[in-house]
Amino acid sequence: EVQLVESGGGLVQPGGSLRLSCAASGFTFNNYWMSWVRQAPGKGLEWVANIKQDGSEKYYVDSVKGRFTISRDNAKSSLYLQMSSLRAEDTAVYYCAREATLVTTAGGYYFYYYYIDVWGKGTTVTVSS
Amino acid sequence: QPVLTQSSSASASLGSSVKLTCTLSSGYSSYIIAWHQQQPGKAPRYLMKLEGSGSNNKGSGVPDRFSGSSSGADRYLTISNLQSEDEADYYCETWDSNTRVFGGGTKLTVL
Repeated sequence: EVQLVESGGGLVQPGGSLRLSCAASGFTFNNYWMSWVRQAPGKGLEWVANIKQDGSEKYYVDSVKGRFTISRDNAKSSLYLQMSSLRAEDTAVYYCAREATLVTTAGGYYFYYYYIDVWGKGTTVTVSS
Repeated sequence: QPVLTQSSSASASLGSSVKLTCTLSSGYSSYIIAWHQQQPGKAPRYLMKLEGSGSNNKGSGVPDRFSGSSSGADRYLTISNLQSEDEADYYCETWDSNTRVFGGGTKLTVL
């Protein structure tokens, strides 16, 4: 069974740090891009960051650039999110997600599309004094 | 970057059908999207990816009552024979230039 299990959430003071982990199982972890997505209380889904299969490419939403770092350990089938300089607006449920890849061709060119096809159950981060 | 537009709410009666819409912004009408369902208090669940041609690929265990279609920049999720457990938030999602984008979500109420 394909599964993603997050851990590491909790209550942290503004300006503090926290490291989230995501343990993957049931699939070949190093074949997939992976993402973190968050959801603030009562709000919609917001993509936070993603990382390429070998860790060589990482991308972030502007609001977390310079504060959050995504990483992975393929030997342990694990994904991480190191969060620092935390703010109240970072309060959310954080989901680990797997990205599927679709390749199409048109006019002799290849186009790559990525979409989330597996979600974890989430871990809650609360930033408050 | 693309913008995905969804109605904030929809409602339909038990046993009927409903069609939810996700509209891609100008210049992105050929993009592939994915539909996700989030029942109250639960994590999102992948339903299907949907291409501009209407070709789709449903996730494991997604009932046949869920189907997808496309027209121009519009991507549709149709739910037939509505059940009480279909009451949920539905999000569309796409990706471009190393950025993932979600629609604002549609809250579906089953009457």
